[in-house]
Amino acid sequence: QSALTQPPSASGSPGQSVTISCTGTYTDVGAYRYVSWYQQHPGKAPKLIIYEVDKRPSGVPDRFSGSKSGNTASLTVSGLQPEDEADYFCCSHAGSNKLLFGGGTKLTVL
Amino acid sequence: QVQLQESGPGLVQPSQTLSLTCTVSGGSIKNSGYYWSWIRQHPTKGLEWIGYVYFIGRSYYNPSLTSRATISLDTSQQRFSLELTSVTAADTALYYCARSPYYYDNTAYDSWGQGALVTVSS
Repeated sequence: QSALTQPPSASGSPGQSVTISCTGTYTDVGAYRYVSWYQQHPGKAPKLIIYEVDKRPSGVPDRFSGSKSGNTASLTVSGLQPEDEADYFCCSHAGSNKLLFGGGTKLTVL
Repeated sequence: QVQLQESGPGLVQPSQTLSLTCTVSGGSIKNSGYYWSWIRQHPTKGLEWIGYVYFIGRSYYNPSLTSRATISLDTSQQRFSLELTSVTAADTALYYCARSPYYYDNTAYDSWGQGALVTVSS
């Protein structure tokens, strides 16, 4: 199984909104609501920011939101802040006790 | 607050077996509500799910690694382990252990170790 497809990079100015896509197939992203998103700063472990497509763990700002349409999940970061500059990864359940990650997107705050 | 900590050799010779251990503190590894996973990250690349083990000891693996990977649970020591056989340079990566829920989104890794860098080289 191939990794989920994410754009390698995205950017936006402070205060703007940016959306990062995560494209899979009908056997993973399209089949389940078990899609999560992670934020990773350099030298740090990934941090869960979205799960079950659009739910935020406690403590994650509501500037982060998730959605899904068909085989593509999306992460939107609204009101960009300098500390949002990081790598972002999606992850999807892929059936039969299998998980897939995306290749990651480097978000730059201009 | 559960904490995870990886440990193991940082250098492994080609064709040998990579062995890592994840020690869990702040919560019982026998808790039936969680999967205990290994995930790796190649240098400057994305994340790759290796597999996970459930509290009864049953394990599941990435199809691309299933012939070489073994994940086991030691509940008496509050730890779980990864063995990856016949390693090559392509297995050089930062290896994370992490926890995700069993009863809902098993992709929701809410706790991670700090990562253990393993280099495969002679």
